[in-house]
Amino acid sequence: GQQLNQSPQSMFIQEGEDVSMNCTSSSIFNTWLWYKQDPGEGPVLLIALYKAGELTSNGRLTAQFGITRKDSFLNISASIPSDVGIYFCAGRFQGAQKLVFGQGTRLTINP
Amino acid sequence: GAVVSQHPSRVICKSGTSVKIECRSLDFQATTMFWYRQFPKQSLMLMATSNEGSKATYEQGVEKDKFLINHASLTLSTLTVTSAHPEDSSFYICSARETVRGDEQFFGPGTRLTVL
Repeated sequence: GQQLNQSPQSMFIQEGEDVSMNCTSSSIFNTWLWYKQDPGEGPVLLIALYKAGELTSNGRLTAQFGITRKDSFLNISASIPSDVGIYFCAGRFQGAQKLVFGQGTRLTINP
Repeated sequence: GAVVSQHPSRVICKSGTSVKIECRSLDFQATTMFWYRQFPKQSLMLMATSNEGSKATYEQGVEKDKFLINHASLTLSTLTVTSAHPEDSSFYICSARETVRGDEQFFGPGTRLTVL
């Protein structure tokens, strides 16, 4: 089935460092969404992207919808301890209802 | 962002019993809701898509008679795990699609089901 390849699978960084993660696909998506999930909780929507090339920020988070519509990245600047968690990308094909999820990126921050 | 609630947050039941989980969109109407299952350290696995007033669409490999879904109103969908067994123990998460302010999908906090 359709898949999103999300990388890296895990990251171990120092507090204050910038973080970058991305998702790629062989298929074209109409919508990209980025989520963060804390242990034992449901995913929380961080950023939604709807147009190719779109660059959107949410505080220290920035995400972009790739020009080819087959990829997206999420950057976190100046990481803090509460950024720890699992980040998921998700894409939706045009006309589709359901999302396709990446495998997730587990972020660990050393103080 | 829009708010989705889920109840209960945690349930422990005996093998053979049925468990109902409720998913509500609190501040928006959702014609489409989704039910996911998540295993430890894995991504979300879509079980079914629920449309208000119609039968749910189940993903391949998901038993519709085992996991009963009802989407009776624009703000409520329920998942009933029938005749639960220990292998049904998992983290179940619902989500609702909001299409008025954008086209986003908001998740509930999840329900941890443990079947003894």
